[in-house]
Amino acid sequence: DVKVTQSSRYLVKRTGEKVFLECVQDMDHENMFWYRQDPGLGLRLIYFSYDVKMKEKGDIPEGYSVSREKKERFSLILESASTNQTSMYLCASSLSMRGNTEAFFGQGTRLTVV
Amino acid sequence: DQQVKQNSPSLSVQEGRISILNCDYTNSMFDYFLWYKKYPAEGPTFLISISSIKDKNEDGRFTVFLNKSAKHLSLHIVPSQPGDSAVYFCAASARGGAQKLVFGQGTRLTINP
Repeated sequence: DVKVTQSSRYLVKRTGEKVFLECVQDMDHENMFWYRQDPGLGLRLIYFSYDVKMKEKGDIPEGYSVSREKKERFSLILESASTNQTSMYLCASSLSMRGNTEAFFGQGTRLTVV
Repeated sequence: DQQVKQNSPSLSVQEGRISILNCDYTNSMFDYFLWYKKYPAEGPTFLISISSIKDKNEDGRFTVFLNKSAKHLSLHIVPSQPGDSAVYFCAASARGGAQKLVFGQGTRLTINP
């Protein structure tokens, strides 16, 4: 089974802190994604990566950056956390661009910025 | 602009009956559609998918129907069970690129005993 693991289930950070959310997948997937889930808004794509060191902006990249130094690891960085970044953050991975495949999600990180 | 829309925020169904969840999309480039199920405090889990070359796909109690001319898909669950109570998201992707998934807002399904 594919396993996508996010480093924390729950995080509480202060406004202005730099926050790192880590995600690791164990199935050699090429694509990795970061989404955030908010009530009534569904899942919105923040950033994605289709290869090591490659990244592309999603629909809501402002205030975030990402890093993918190794194929299995994709990190989301909140440069200066703000209260409007309080949300559920979900990492996902999928096999490749060459065919239609589903994305597999981690368990999520509930981030609260105070 | 919301490219994938689930217009019903919630749905309540009696155990044993059919649950029908609906989803509309606007982007004609979408060619692959998926349904995910999500419990509170967990990540979404993949349920069923359909390619645009088909109009129906079945997997046990779950069937997805695709109407390309109407840009509409639906998920049928029959018979509904209490464990089906969750939030259901539909998602779509377009061929090419990283096949990023675009999600709807979700529908909270409650199955009543």
